Amino acid sequence: QVQLVQSGSELKKPGASVKVSCKASGYTFTNYAMTWVRQAPGQGLEWMGWINTNNGNRMYAQGFSGRFVFSLDTSDSTAYLQISSLKAEDTAVYYCATITFVGGATLVDYWGQGTLVTVSS
Amino acid sequence: QSVLTQPPSASGTPGQRVAISCSGSSSNIGTNTVNWYQQLPGTAPKELIYRNNQRPSGVPDRFSGSKSGTSASLAISGLQSEDEADYYCGAWDDSLNGYVFGTGTKVTVL
Repeated sequence: QVQLVQSGSELKKPGASVKVSCKASGYTFTNYAMTWVRQAPGQGLEWMGWINTNNGNRMYAQGFSGRFVFSLDTSDSTAYLQISSLKAEDTAVYYCATITFVGGATLVDYWGQGTLVTVSS
Repeated sequence: QSVLTQPPSASGTPGQRVAISCSGSSSNIGTNTVNWYQQLPGTAPKELIYRNNQRPSGVPDRFSGSKSGTSASLAISGLQSEDEADYYCGAWDDSLNGYVFGTGTKVTVL
């Protein structure tokens, strides 16, 4: 079965960087693109963008370009989210999920368990 | 700010039917299919409905989805205590060229 396992919680100081991993199993990694979703404490879901696992092309949602970078290690079936110059407002749970575009449908179906990133001095 | 609007809360007693609305526009719900997600307390979201009204394997048929024009709806019939969760709608938005989530609805079982 499809499984996405994310790296553990992180506590970082403002200005530092963090890299969150998302290891996929149970399917061929390049069959699904990967998307990232942010959820600030007590808030709703916010879509950050997606990365094509076949060619590495990335698309970032508004507000998530520059400090946020999606990357892949296809040999290890792992996707990464790197956030640089961390700010307190980056404190959130970050989820990876598969995303599929089929006809007029966009499916965000399999989710990782989430990684809590806390930014505090 | 989300472009898909949901009521902040909904509630019902065990066995009742609860419906949650998701209001969008012609660039998202009006053109593309809608998905629904259930987020139990302290856990990751889980796909509940995809392509407006399809249930993934394992999702009880108490959950149903529908779409009309620029709005969608999730219905929970025979409400159970384990349905207490946050529910989000989602759809692709052609104007934003990105995926958008609804504002979320907290369902409480009284």
